[in-house]
Amino acid sequence: QVQLQESGPGLVRPSGTLSLTCVVSGGSIISGVWWSWVRQPPGKGLEWIGEVYQSGSTNYNPSLKSRVTISLDSSKNHFSLNLSSVTAADTAIYYCAREMKGSNYDGDQWYYYYYMDIWGKGTTVAVS
Amino acid sequence: SSELTQDPAVSVALGQTVRITCQGDPLRSHYATWYQQKPGQAPVLVIYAKNNRPSGIPDRFSGSSSGNTASLTISGAQAEDEADYFCYSRNSSANRLKVFGGGTKLTVL
Repeated sequence: QVQLQESGPGLVRPSGTLSLTCVVSGGSIISGVWWSWVRQPPGKGLEWIGEVYQSGSTNYNPSLKSRVTISLDSSKNHFSLNLSSVTAADTAIYYCAREMKGSNYDGDQWYYYYYMDIWGKGTTVAVS
Repeated sequence: SSELTQDPAVSVALGQTVRITCQGDPLRSHYATWYQQKPGQAPVLVIYAKNNRPSGIPDRFSGSSSGNTASLTISGAQAEDEADYFCYSRNSSANRLKVFGGGTKLTVL
């Protein structure tokens, strides 16, 4: 079964760039799904960072868009997160995840749905 | 601020039924997904596509949707259900962006 594992420095200096990698094992990263990054500051809720498709197409959280880049390397079966100009507010647990999508015709209209079914264990990054 | 609104905290007596809600305009055309998160652990998918449970999720967990509100119902809450619950869906029907609700802390009394 597919498993995800995040890796990267646990400490980043202010104004530096946070760089994380998520290795996909047990399956191909080229599988028609989106690959996502989510973070969780200490004691707070989940924040969607963004996602990348096998084509390299991306979508980003508008609040982070100017600082974030998510990319995919099919030869290494991994995808990456770069977050520049970090501050203490970027201190968080960072998760990578696989996202599935679909649609149902329910009642009298189409409904669309998205779910991250496989998550990494998360990696803690402190900015200090 | 989140486009999906959840009550910050809900409590339920052991064995009783509890409903956790998520409100937002995108839910009129996009189902909410529900995650359970216990302290120190990664989120776990509990409900997707309105009312589908992944393998291993007990059938006391169910989902529903009406208008701009999605609900997660736990029928016969157990002590191990005490956790944070987050809804997740599109940020807006006008774009491809996603958002989590602020989360609901469920306490089982």
